[in-house]
Amino acid sequence: AQSVTQPDIHITVSEGASLELRCNYSYGATPYLFWYVQSPGQGLQLLLKYFSGDTLVQGIKGFEAEFKRSQSSFNLRKPSVHWSDAAEYFCAVGPGGGADGLTFGKGTHLIIQP
Amino acid sequence: DAGITQSPRHKVTETGTPVTLRCHQTENHRYMYWYRQDPGHGLRLIHYSYGVKDTDKGEVSDGYSVSRSKTEDFLLTLESATSSQTSVYFCAISEDLDTEAFFGQGTRLTVV
Repeated sequence: AQSVTQPDIHITVSEGASLELRCNYSYGATPYLFWYVQSPGQGLQLLLKYFSGDTLVQGIKGFEAEFKRSQSSFNLRKPSVHWSDAAEYFCAVGPGGGADGLTFGKGTHLIIQP
Repeated sequence: DAGITQSPRHKVTETGTPVTLRCHQTENHRYMYWYRQDPGHGLRLIHYSYGVKDTDKGEVSDGYSVSRSKTEDFLLTLESATSSQTSVYFCAISEDLDTEAFFGQGTRLTVV
């Protein structure tokens, strides 16, 4: 069965500092990988996705992620965080169809210190 | 933003009553999904649909039913609500099995 692990439940970063959120997955074939962000009381917004090709993918809001097959990882990075980046971040693996849907990690809560 | 509307956005209901949540899309996407979000669990798939009148169960389908009579609408019904169904429910859509999913704003359901 597919699974996603986000080892960090909470992360605190100072504004302007760099950020890396970890994601490890288990999937039987070549995965489709996603990062979503959720602000309080809101739905999930897609930050970026990896389907194939270049293993370094660029997303919205200055985020990027790197797919490393050998490590089964898809870590999210941002060189300089802004206070508005404070949110819950979810890593997900697919494809998202069928009875499995997308499998989500439990999320990482990002706190930005001034 | 993808055109997905969930209604109601908030609902409080009593144990044992039926509840229906609605998801409406304007994107004409084939696939529609219902997830629930609970602290410490992330999002878990309840049911999904791959076309009009074509639905199937997800990971946590017990106590829930769905219907899709039109491409744009996907209804989630709790036949007899229980306190364990207190959760935030999200609808999602995708164009195909191997494309990204877009999410609605969520419905917060409280069963008292």
